[in-house]
Amino acid sequence: GAVVSQHPSRVICKSGTSVKIECRSLDFQATTMFWYRQFPKKSLMLMATSNEGSKATYEQGVEKDKFLINHASLTLSTLTVTSAHPEDSSFYICSASRASGTWDTQYFGPGTRLTVL
Amino acid sequence: SQQGEEDPQALSIQEGENATMNCSYKTSINNLQWYRQNSGRGLVHLILIRSNEREKHSGRLRVTLDTSKKSSSLLITASRAADTASYFCATDGGGGADGLTFGKGTHLIIQP
Repeated sequence: GAVVSQHPSRVICKSGTSVKIECRSLDFQATTMFWYRQFPKKSLMLMATSNEGSKATYEQGVEKDKFLINHASLTLSTLTVTSAHPEDSSFYICSASRASGTWDTQYFGPGTRLTVL
Repeated sequence: SQQGEEDPQALSIQEGENATMNCSYKTSINNLQWYRQNSGRGLVHLILIRSNEREKHSGRLRVTLDTSKKSSSLLITASRAADTASYFCATDGGGGADGLTFGKGTHLIIQP
């Protein structure tokens, strides 16, 4: 159990376009989902925390107008990279937690590799 | 936010040898976790150790935690070629559903 999927796994887009990445918890309800970004040969950096039915909380330095997060249901969160530019090319990974107020394991998705030309 | 830092950044050993990776962090934690990531892939959760635990085992993995030194180590015994991957420690920021802070990672190469 506790499987998290992401779609698409890879996406290539032109500069200036928007790209939507989906994160789904397949067999559990995720009260909280997290979005991370990983540049090549680097570590993961938390971008934002998303709670179902409320606005996402963004980490310092992450532009909320550029990275739109929607957590419309307990099994789906989406990250939309708006007006993508080459510097947005990265590996985006989501994770999902069943917890709300108490600690729980985060289950990670397989990641989405975004390449902006 | 806290930041975990692993050392060494890269480690190359022969198959069958033991591999030890270390992680340091800066602030108080509730839990520390270790993850593995194969090149270009998602994360695989290896083991979690709580702040009131000092040592934990899982198969060929042994994790220690020293909260007084704010450090943890991951030992992989009898390494295999399939263990080649990047290993990250991650700490949580406190109670509740907090995002994780990842260390920079150790890239482990097991030479056959």
